[in-house]
Amino acid sequence: NAGVMQNPRHLVRRRGQEARLRCSPMKGHSHVYWYRQLPEEGLKFMVYLQKENIIDESGMPKERFSAEFPKEGPSILRIQQVVRGDSAAYFCASSPQIIDDTGELFFGEGSRLTVL
Amino acid sequence: GENVGLHLPTLSVQEGDNSIINCAYSNSASDYFIWYKQESGKGPQFIIDIRSNMDKRQGQRVTVLLNKTVKHLSLQIAATQPGDSAVYFCAENTPGTYKYIFGTGTRLKVLA
Repeated sequence: NAGVMQNPRHLVRRRGQEARLRCSPMKGHSHVYWYRQLPEEGLKFMVYLQKENIIDESGMPKERFSAEFPKEGPSILRIQQVVRGDSAAYFCASSPQIIDDTGELFFGEGSRLTVL
Repeated sequence: GENVGLHLPTLSVQEGDNSIINCAYSNSASDYFIWYKQESGKGPQFIIDIRSNMDKRQGQRVTVLLNKTVKHLSLQIAATQPGDSAVYFCAENTPGTYKYIFGTGTRLKVLA
């Protein structure tokens, strides 16, 4: 499967624990986006990264949330000291480049975080 | 702007009828728009896109119309099928930014 791969698909954490969500973009894609979706709502932008660089993190909460996209390996969205309000589906998307002929974002199947 | 805590509006159509899903986008400077389909428990799937230098684009069974004057986008699905049942989102992109802003979404229910 050459699509965007996210894992884990489902993650359960207790309040105060850490959650790490991983995303491997499509082959050849060097741009990664993270979006968050609450039940019955749309997708809310969190962060946009290129390899080793955070380009736009205007949608990230100021505390407890961080993202990285290292030179080697997947992009990781990290949530420290999770609270119940962090329960949501987190989607990763990748694209080959910015605002090109297609500009399409390719989404993964999401990681569903449940905080008990 | 970005949706905030709203229940999804629902459109119910009979199988075989045409569906029209509407979207009001937020930024008059946006120049690229995408319609996505999201089935339950899955990630959004690309349906069709359109740039602001066009007002209509057709795909297989789908047509997107763009009205820049009123910042309105619509998705028309011809001969709607049960497999079209999903939530549909429009997304906009503004030049010079990297964010794709998603609309509230509309749930399409196809009645047999």
